[in-house]
Amino acid sequence: GNSVTQMEGPVTLSEEAFLTINCTYTATGYPSLFWYVQYPGEGLQLLLKATKADDKGSNKGFEATYRKETTSFHLEKGSVQVSDSAVYFCALSPVAGGTSYGKLTFGQGTILTVHP
Amino acid sequence: GAVVSQHPSWVICKSGTSVKIECRSLDFQATTMFWYRQFPKQSLMLMATSNEGSKATYEQGVEKDKFLINHASLTLSTLTVTSAHPEDSSFYICSATLFYRGASEAFFGQGTRLTVV
Repeated sequence: GNSVTQMEGPVTLSEEAFLTINCTYTATGYPSLFWYVQYPGEGLQLLLKATKADDKGSNKGFEATYRKETTSFHLEKGSVQVSDSAVYFCALSPVAGGTSYGKLTFGQGTILTVHP
Repeated sequence: GAVVSQHPSWVICKSGTSVKIECRSLDFQATTMFWYRQFPKQSLMLMATSNEGSKATYEQGVEKDKFLINHASLTLSTLTVTSAHPEDSSFYICSATLFYRGASEAFFGQGTRLTVV
């Protein structure tokens, strides 16, 4: 079956530091890949996504590139802010555009704390 | 973007009672919605797929008689936790899939924190 493995946290950084959160996946076919962010007490918000190999998703300074050869989708940001403190989830969906799209398999989540 | 609303955002109930959680797509129709459960400091686990007009599809290990799902309209799915017990305390999140221009995207509700005492 499908699975997603995320770098274990928590991750603690100083403001303006560089962020990398590793994510690798196991899936058949060509899944779509996502990063979601969850702020305390809230639901999930889509941060970025990529639907095919070599696609780069980006949003709010965050980037991730769909690497099929290494089955990875690592999240990066060049300069983090205190407001980026949250839990980040890597996820995959089996088929882009199919009726099962949205049926997500999540990684375990990585808690990011950014200090001033 | 599209909005999915969950209600209530939190609920406390006594053991043995039932609790209903609603998931609404506010500005789009969703034939399929998904229910997830999140344990403290853990990831989200898919519980079931809610299908409008038909029975829900449950993931392995999820008790369908305990977690009743009804998807009576294209904008509303409900999850009822029957005869709740403290071990059912958790954060429940729904999502709905919006299809557009040959693409699709999942939108999540804000979640419901259930505490069974």
